[in-house]
Amino acid sequence: AQTVTQSQPEMSVQEAETVTLSCTYDTSESDYYLFWYKQPPSRQMILVIRQEAYKQQNATENRFSVNFQKAAKSFSLKISDSQLGDAAMYFCAYYSVKLVFGAGTILRVKS
Amino acid sequence: EAGVTQFPSHSVIEKGQTVTLRCDPISGHDNLYWYRRVMGKEIKFLLHFVKESKQDESGMPNNRFLAERTGGTYSTLKVQPAELEDSGVYFCASSQGLLGTGVSSSYNEQFFGPGTRLTVL
Repeated sequence: AQTVTQSQPEMSVQEAETVTLSCTYDTSESDYYLFWYKQPPSRQMILVIRQEAYKQQNATENRFSVNFQKAAKSFSLKISDSQLGDAAMYFCAYYSVKLVFGAGTILRVKS
Repeated sequence: EAGVTQFPSHSVIEKGQTVTLRCDPISGHDNLYWYRRVMGKEIKFLLHFVKESKQDESGMPNNRFLAERTGGTYSTLKVQPAELEDSGVYFCASSQGLLGTGVSSSYNEQFFGPGTRLTVL
């Protein structure tokens, strides 16, 4: 069965600085998707960024980028120029047949 | 366009009681999913509807949980009787119809509701 591990229960970053959230996964599939979701306090979970496993190029969405290492089964999220609005719970997720989530990382942004 | 909505936002019940959670997907979305997050743990898949049919219910914990999707529109998740370990946040998500099967077809983004926080005392 596929599993997703987020080893950082909580992270902090100073406003305007860069932070990296870690995620590893386990699968025997070769074709799949990886995602980072953001859930602000008491609000809907939204998709931040997605990566197709067959694409070697790392996905980028504005200040958000990933470091996808397929052989190592690693999928980290880098947030550049952190803003107060980035404070949230971040979930890493894997999809082949269904979504499999990690336990989440709480990101705190200090002003 | 309205997003996925869930009702209630919070529910506190006694062990042994019944609770029904409701999810209204985005209009036109054939796929509806239920997930659950127990405090501090992963969000776990419960089941998947395609229109009114259960496509995959492999994540349902036991027969105390019953999910329905009337006419392929909104869905309900009933827990009867509730136990302490049922406490958690229940999420609903919806997505457009699948273009094909498997990952090689285009993945249709799942849009999540805000969740229902269930506390069983």
